[in-house]
Amino acid sequence: AQSVTQLGSHVSVSEGALVLLRCNYSSSVPPYLFWYVQYPNQGLQLLLKYTTGATLVKGINGFEAEFKKSETSFHLTKPSAHMSDAAEYFCAVSRQEAAGNKLTFGGGTRVLVKP
Amino acid sequence: DSGVTQTPKHLITATGQRVTLRCSPRSGDLSVYWYQQSLDQGLQFLIQYYNGEERAKGNILERFSAQQFPDLHSELNLSSLELGDSALYFCASSVGQDPDIQYFGAGTRLSVL
Repeated sequence: AQSVTQLGSHVSVSEGALVLLRCNYSSSVPPYLFWYVQYPNQGLQLLLKYTTGATLVKGINGFEAEFKKSETSFHLTKPSAHMSDAAEYFCAVSRQEAAGNKLTFGGGTRVLVKP
Repeated sequence: DSGVTQTPKHLITATGQRVTLRCSPRSGDLSVYWYQQSLDQGLQFLIQYYNGEERAKGNILERFSAQQFPDLHSELNLSSLELGDSALYFCASSVGQDPDIQYFGAGTRLSVL
């Protein structure tokens, strides 16, 4: 079984400050890891993904995440927050299974950006 | 725009009723997934179809069923609706059946009164 834990259901940052969203996963096999963003009244949009290879992954809108196997973490960062980053962020894990491909999501972290 | 189309956007119905949610995947995608997003359960995987065949099943109630048609669009049927079925239902699609990026539609918001 696989699971995802996102620490902090709400995060408040000032515009221009670092954004750090934490994600820890559990998986018995090498995972595929994703970060999605959900803006109000919209679907989920992929920010970035990790499958294999380089552990530092760059995504859209200036976000990046680092896969740390020893810590079973995949934290998302952005050096400088923008007002448009206010949204809910979901970490998700998938893996090669005999039966299909499902995403298991964390509980989400809602980001508020203060001017 | 992800290229995944879901209809309707909103659905209001009464307990005990049956509804059908429709999803058209991105052009070329063979897999379709259904997810439920609710305040108490979060985002939960329901079911995956690949090229017309059921591929994986998650926490889908027996009152719910889905299918994928030869043109690859999918429908999620929810019957004997209960208040607790009120949620946002997302469809997603991907090219194959293996772990890969899933592209999400805008969702159908179901309100059961």
